[in-house]
Amino acid sequence: SAVISQKPSRDICQRGTSLTIQCQVDSQVTMMFWYRQQPGQSLTLIATANQGSEATYESGFVIDKFPISRPNLTFSTLTVSNMSPEDSSIYLCSVEGTFQEETQYFGPGTRLLVL
Amino acid sequence: DAKTTQPTSMDCAEGRAANLPCNHSTISGNEYVYWYRQIHSQGPQYIIHGLKNNETNEMASLIITEDRKSSTLILPHATLRDTAVYYCIVRVARNNAGNMLTFGGGTRLMVKP
Repeated sequence: SAVISQKPSRDICQRGTSLTIQCQVDSQVTMMFWYRQQPGQSLTLIATANQGSEATYESGFVIDKFPISRPNLTFSTLTVSNMSPEDSSIYLCSVEGTFQEETQYFGPGTRLLVL
Repeated sequence: DAKTTQPTSMDCAEGRAANLPCNHSTISGNEYVYWYRQIHSQGPQYIIHGLKNNETNEMASLIITEDRKSSTLILPHATLRDTAVYYCIVRVARNNAGNMLTFGGGTRLMVKP
């Protein structure tokens, strides 16, 4: 499977600010996704990051709050905008389509605490 | 989307086989069953997947019933490091949008000495 890294691994932010999370893969992938895991909860899909076009957001998530970029086949960013304490979560990227596989593999996650 | 039902928690003695059940009675004919685990808030780790036939890899075995309405993940010799939340997921293919993984609550497996 591909090696997936995320930066930062964790951060503590003040409310009202924004944080951009990076996801880097060591090989080209077809699909990249962003998930959120709120404290004590399971994972929820935020959006699919599309290369060369706007991301596809799931119900309950909007571009103004979670802008996403995907400039190439190995890199994506998720920005959490105008943060509030409710945004405190683990944010995870996942990838699909490495070595022609359809299995999704997950990055290590970014732990975000908003004060 | 097919939903899955798993027990909330299970215990297993170290060295014994851990058998984790999953019910997916509304699964469609071309939908795969995937298993992931998450150890203490790390990113989910892929374990195994299957469509109809039983599957085995270096981590685990997956037994899928003939009617495909349920499956069992088997860790043949559980160790303390297998303590984790195990997620059974029915993967839904979406046109031009990749495959959809819907995570439920999972089973919290505690392996005890």
